[in-house]
Amino acid sequence: AQTVTQSQPEMSVQEAETVTLSCTYDTSESDYYLFWYKQPPSRQMILVIRQEAYKQQNATENRFSVNFQKAAKSFSLKISDSQLGDAAMYFCASGAQKLVFGQGTRLTINP
Amino acid sequence: GAVVSQHPSWVICKSGTSVKIECRSLDFQATTMFWYRQFPKQSLMLMATSNEGSKATYEQGVEKDKFLINHASLTLSTLTVTSAHPEDSSFYICSARGGLTGNTEAFFGQGTRLTVV
Repeated sequence: AQTVTQSQPEMSVQEAETVTLSCTYDTSESDYYLFWYKQPPSRQMILVIRQEAYKQQNATENRFSVNFQKAAKSFSLKISDSQLGDAAMYFCASGAQKLVFGQGTRLTINP
Repeated sequence: GAVVSQHPSWVICKSGTSVKIECRSLDFQATTMFWYRQFPKQSLMLMATSNEGSKATYEQGVEKDKFLINHASLTLSTLTVTSAHPEDSSFYICSARGGLTGNTEAFFGQGTRLTVV
């Protein structure tokens, strides 16, 4: 069975600073993908970043980057230059066909 | 990105009645659709996976006779909550993918808040 664990229920960061959200996973699949999704108060799920497990290079999307440690089954998200609009619930997810989500981390941005 | 439209956004129904939620992919063909349930301040729990033209695959613990899923076309999947009870009140989210695996992005609908009174 797949599991995804986010050990930080809440995080806060000062505007313009950098914050890292943690995620660990466990899977028996050999070929899988990892995702970070953002869920703002509207509850619309928004893809932040995606990582193919077979790629060693860490994915980056503008201010968002990941630290993918395959052996450790770790997939953390780094948000640089935090902005007020980054405030949301962040979910880590893992899977090939279907996705399993972590418990989520609520990120607060302090002005 | 592609658009997935979920309807209705919210619905209130009486206990014992059935409610149908629609999920449409507007600008791509959704080979696979997923239905999730999300309780307040909790994560998304996968209920079932459906591939167009075949029966849905339900996750363990999800009552298939209560949560009827139909994926009759490549752009539409429906979730019907039959004989709804207050404990079925929740936020339901659909997701659609154009391919079979995670190499194609899954897009999410805006969700449906169901309240059973």
